[in-house]
Amino acid sequence: DGGITQSPKYLFRKEGQNVTLSCEQNLNHDAMYWYRQDPGQGLRLIYYSQIVNDFQKGDIAEGYSVSREKKESFPLTVTSAQKNPTAFYLCASKGQAFEETQYFGPGTRLLVL
Amino acid sequence: SQKIEQNSEALNIQEGKTATLTCNYTNYSPAYLQWYRQDPGRGPVFLLLIRENEKEKRKERLKVTFDTTLKQSLFHITASQPADSATYLCALDHGSSNTGKLIFGQGTTLQVKP
Repeated sequence: DGGITQSPKYLFRKEGQNVTLSCEQNLNHDAMYWYRQDPGQGLRLIYYSQIVNDFQKGDIAEGYSVSREKKESFPLTVTSAQKNPTAFYLCASKGQAFEETQYFGPGTRLLVL
Repeated sequence: SQKIEQNSEALNIQEGKTATLTCNYTNYSPAYLQWYRQDPGRGPVFLLLIRENEKEKRKERLKVTFDTTLKQSLFHITASQPADSATYLCALDHGSSNTGKLIFGQGTTLQVKP
């Protein structure tokens, strides 16, 4: 089955701790995206990558970091600098065509202990 | 910057009726507009895409209209069913060349009662 997976489903972070959210896709898509969703709000773009070894900041990149060493993988690290990390995190991927839609993973809910 | 407004109040309708959801934007006209469905605790799923030069697009019981003069898109679900209950998100292209970036509205929650 082709698709996009995220793990874990739930993640707990302690104060001062960095945590990494996994995102893997086997759709052979070049572009990948990370979004944050808070209750009652739309998705906000954290980082995106259009090609391996290259990524760009989105609208709310502060306190987050990413890497894109493989086409299939785009992990997101929530650093201790992110003071309000509790949210639902969504990863998406997209093919090359200008108008192609984004395919989303099931999401990771991050909670602070 | 571009802003998207969707009705933040939940829409409650009776089974069999037509649900109409609204998406308004405030700035530049997007090249295309997309609608996604999101169930609680899950990722959004793509439903329909409509381009700036299209007035209407249909898919089974779904219909989307796009009025660039009013800066508005309407999303219709005809013969609604309880299984249609979900949050529906409107998304516009970010305006940047081929980055694929989208701007999302906050979504409207639809509740279809049997």
